[in-house]
Amino acid sequence: EAGVVQSPRYKIIEKKQPVAFWCNPISGHNTLYWYLQNLGQGPELLIRYENEEAVDDSQLPKDRFSAERLKGVDSTLKIQPAELGDSAVYLCASRRGDGGELFFGEGSRLTVL
Amino acid sequence: QQQVKQSPQSLIVQKGGISIINCAYENTAFDYFPWYQQFPGKGPALLIAIRPDVSEKKEGRFTISFNKSAKQFSLHIMDSQPGDSATYFCAASIDGSSNTGKLIFGQGTTLQVKP
Repeated sequence: EAGVVQSPRYKIIEKKQPVAFWCNPISGHNTLYWYLQNLGQGPELLIRYENEEAVDDSQLPKDRFSAERLKGVDSTLKIQPAELGDSAVYLCASRRGDGGELFFGEGSRLTVL
Repeated sequence: QQQVKQSPQSLIVQKGGISIINCAYENTAFDYFPWYQQFPGKGPALLIAIRPDVSEKKEGRFTISFNKSAKQFSLHIMDSQPGDSATYFCAASIDGSSNTGKLIFGQGTTLQVKP
């Protein structure tokens, strides 16, 4: 069974440009998370989806970040416009709706110049 | 109160030695305490986890010790191997009936096991 798939793995952009990250969770996993991991730090939750509903987006900077999970499967995280401080790894994770282990993707590393 | 504090920041151990990483938390509502292992360029992967109704859990060379009264838990890696060299994160969450899986992570410990 495939794990959590993220793309692109690496992205380099100029500040003020937009960027989008895509995540395909493990099949059958209703809950999807986006985490932010700064260099040398632990991941921090940005947003959590139960199916297509964003049930916890309190940590998402809504002035420039947006996310969607159409049809309750794949998800996209967008930053517009990107700032220098957004350089980090964006991790997607998923788990079954009834709990269980949280599985992470390999992450999308963003560098903003 | 939502923080999880992890120490040390980095650790160097000889092959065959014991690696010990410690974490402390404040929120007594936390009821799930996992440890994650992360290799460079990879996402974190669950290593072992414990709930507060037990004081110790062992899986192979990895053991979690949990002290509810002190609000501390630790990871012990016995017979450490060079392949264990990675960054380790402790985490905590309030699962309970809501089962949110919202993990609060520690700052991470970079472990290097020397051959």
